[in-house]
Amino acid sequence: AQKVTQAQTEISVVEKEDVTLDCVYETRDTTYYLFWYKQPPSGELVFLIRRNSFDEQNEISGRYSWNFQKSTSSFNFTITASQVVDSAVYFCALSEGTDSWGKFQFGAGTQVVVTP
Amino acid sequence: KAGVTQTPRYLIKTRGQQVTLSCSPISGHRSVSWYQQTPGQGLQFLFEYFSETQRNKGNFPGRFSGRQFSNSRSEMNVSTLELGDSALYLCASSTGVSRAYQAFFGQGTRLTVV
Repeated sequence: AQKVTQAQTEISVVEKEDVTLDCVYETRDTTYYLFWYKQPPSGELVFLIRRNSFDEQNEISGRYSWNFQKSTSSFNFTITASQVVDSAVYFCALSEGTDSWGKFQFGAGTQVVVTP
Repeated sequence: KAGVTQTPRYLIKTRGQQVTLSCSPISGHRSVSWYQQTPGQGLQFLFEYFSETQRNKGNFPGRFSGRQFSNSRSEMNVSTLELGDSALYLCASSTGVSRAYQAFFGQGTRLTVV
């Protein structure tokens, strides 16, 4: 069963618009970590943000912000005032379980296209 | 600080051959994980090595194997290649001592099996 669901396949916006990416996860663990990664055309996954299951405080980091809600198992990510360089595939990932060191479960990814 | 280095970047192999991919983690990192990325299956976890020991393994056939050396560099091997093994193989480096720390990924090796 898919543990991380990113329902949006592709989002297209015009530069300076805000973009919100949805992520819904499934876990039975009480301790887990959630991540957002960005994959530009070069291929490597670039770390963006991390949140642990005990910290539901939502924060803003530059143009990035996130909304973590355990009650709905959602971990949404927003890019404010998008730029062309934000065009990439964005992955939500879950790390759970005491025997799952180094193992991320990724969602299918959301392609973000920002046009000038 | 140097990032994660994967070699080679591109490979073309024939069905039935075997291939070895290499990953050099960030200095000081003891954990290396491998992922396969395909358009159909997305990003799938292959295995993780920590201090030369396999600590975790995904659901892949035995044709996929790996190892880690004392300097934390890791190799992954795929034997008897199949067309479906064509993918981007990504390696991730982390301290390995806490899941609170993010993994750093290399640019990947793009394997094409013909």
